[in-house]
Amino acid sequence: ETVMTQSPATLSVSPGERATLSCRASQNVKNNLAWYQQKPGQAPRLLIYGASTRATGIPARFSGSGSGTDFTLTISSLQSEDFAVYYCQQWGLTFGGGTKVEIK
Amino acid sequence: EVQLVQSGAEVKKPGESLRISCKGSGYTFTNYWINWVRQMPGKGLEWMGRIDPSDSYTNYSPSFRGHVTISVDRSVSSAYLQWSSLQASDTAIYYCARRYDVTGFHDLWGQGTLVTVSS
Repeated sequence: ETVMTQSPATLSVSPGERATLSCRASQNVKNNLAWYQQKPGQAPRLLIYGASTRATGIPARFSGSGSGTDFTLTISSLQSEDFAVYYCQQWGLTFGGGTKVEIK
Repeated sequence: EVQLVQSGAEVKKPGESLRISCKGSGYTFTNYWINWVRQMPGKGLEWMGRIDPSDSYTNYSPSFRGHVTISVDRSVSSAYLQWSSLQASDTAIYYCARRYDVTGFHDLWGQGTLVTVSS
């Protein structure tokens, strides 16, 4: 089973700053990596699929990169509504443990 | 509107059985696999398994195989997650989610069903 490891577990960022989240797979998942955002009390929402393609309606400040085993989600300028937990997922199967983005 | 609507919250005792549902609407239900995802209190997301509504073929995570059953009723565009004997450790929110294509990402999510198992 492919294990997904996200880092850091918590990221403290000031509004307007850039946030960089990492996700590492224990084996090659090619570019089949998705990112989701989850806010308290809500279902997850798809942000990025295919490692770098934004889902419908997702703002351009969200970008994804990487392939193989190492992936990055970047939020270029954090807005108040971006403070949430972010998960990566490979091939629609195992999820990473999540990164909580909190206000610094 | 394209959506997945899940059944309401449940409170059960250990050893009881339970089936929760996920109804798809606004799209051709049989064209997209349905996944189930667990979220224990204060924890992350765990992929449990999935079903192809066109033929009821299922995949399960090794962590959940044998403990839950995923099924579908095409006549009412619904998928189900079932337990025959609940444990306190099954207390969680369960989400259904649609698989968009063969790469597997989940483009549409239900609102979640809270299952509480307590004596």
